[in-house]
Amino acid sequence: QKEVEQNSGPLSVPEGAIASLNCTYSDRGSQSFFWYRQYSGKSPELIMFIYSNGDKEDGRFTAQLNKASQYVSLLIRDSQPSDSATYLCAVNPQGGSEKLVFGKGTKLTVNP
Amino acid sequence: ETGVTQTPRHLVMGMTNKKSLKCEQHLGHNAMYWYKQSAKKPLELMFVYNFKEQTENNSVPSRFSPECPNSSHLFLHLHTLQPEDSALYLCASSQDFMGNEQFFGPGTRLTVL
Repeated sequence: QKEVEQNSGPLSVPEGAIASLNCTYSDRGSQSFFWYRQYSGKSPELIMFIYSNGDKEDGRFTAQLNKASQYVSLLIRDSQPSDSATYLCAVNPQGGSEKLVFGKGTKLTVNP
Repeated sequence: ETGVTQTPRHLVMGMTNKKSLKCEQHLGHNAMYWYKQSAKKPLELMFVYNFKEQTENNSVPSRFSPECPNSSHLFLHLHTLQPEDSALYLCASSQDFMGNEQFFGPGTRLTVL
């Protein structure tokens, strides 16, 4: 059973701080990794994807991937109250299947 | 219309009813998906269609019946559901069968009485 684990939180940070969201996965051969943001009552929205080891930056967001440790993280710099949402980690297991395996999500609250 | 749309947005049905959920994508994608999202559980993949052909049925009970008449439309037919089937049902699409970068619709909030 391929699994994706996330700390469910809630994670609470003050406005302007760095929020760090973490995700581990069980399938060592996984190839691609995604972060989705889901506001309460809304559907998931893709915000970042990463395929290679290292960091990938997009605005205030940085995705970090370490395949050796089977670990992917999302850093949000200068956190804003509008970043308050549940962040879902998703992994595409090896074999090129159509399936994405999702974690349960981490709820982030950014306090003004 | 842009992106992925779903109708209805909310649905309340009895256990003996038959209803259908509809999904339409306007992105020119070739793969479409049905997911179930329940409280405190990960998104559960239900069905995958690639170029209108079903490629995945993730052990879903037969009271859920998908239909994909073309690459832009996806239906989920519901009959004799149980209260534990109450959840948010999300449709998604992606460019190709590799499942990367899936784009989600707004979902249908289903309540089974």
